[in-house]
Amino acid sequence: SQQGEEDPQALSIQEGENATMNCSYKTSINNLQWYRQNSGRGLVHLILIRSNEREKHSGRLRVTLDTSKKSSSLLITASRAADTASYFCATGRAKETSGSRLTFGEGTQLTVNP
Amino acid sequence: NAGVMQNPRHLVRRRGQEARLRCSPMKGHSHVYWYRQLPEEGLKFMVYLQKENIIDESGMPKERFSAEFPKEGPSILRIQQVVRGDSAAYFCASSSLSGYNEQFFGPGTRLTVL
Repeated sequence: SQQGEEDPQALSIQEGENATMNCSYKTSINNLQWYRQNSGRGLVHLILIRSNEREKHSGRLRVTLDTSKKSSSLLITASRAADTASYFCATGRAKETSGSRLTFGEGTQLTVNP
Repeated sequence: NAGVMQNPRHLVRRRGQEARLRCSPMKGHSHVYWYRQLPEEGLKFMVYLQKENIIDESGMPKERFSAEFPKEGPSILRIQQVVRGDSAAYFCASSSLSGYNEQFFGPGTRLTVL
């Protein structure tokens, strides 16, 4: 399996509900970033959490990181139809000579129904 | 402050032609990354460049693909003798510091090979 795997692959909820997406990874990381991608568009950076952080908030977003379990979660509270998109986690590995490339998961497709 | 700019947004080439994709990083960013996204998949790292230097090209095919980031001007991803399997969305990202800061993505270039 790949570094940065999201779970579930697809999630459908009603407007106003909370959406939780999970990401697991295999190797040591320096940081983990979450991105949103609307269909056919570019990626929008949502939040970065570093390996020494456990939780981070940004507006309606809450990200947690558990390095012992090599997992992260993205919570979107009070979802809106405009939150419909694909969500990707991406990991930046620590201390490797190959630099700071990001390794992406396959994404979670979130659909928020009005 | 303009974001990462890519052009063209859409590019159609016939098999055997060359494709040149351009990326201008955000102002003040000197680190550029190229990623490729196949339909319904996550992004895959290709190459990481700083001004006039290729730092990591481990994700780039050895043949037909090349990248540069000259002292002046945009970063260029060049694909020679394109094949149908090269059809994908190519995204460029930039960051301000080496390693571990946020990477901000451009809108992508969608390459179609006929």
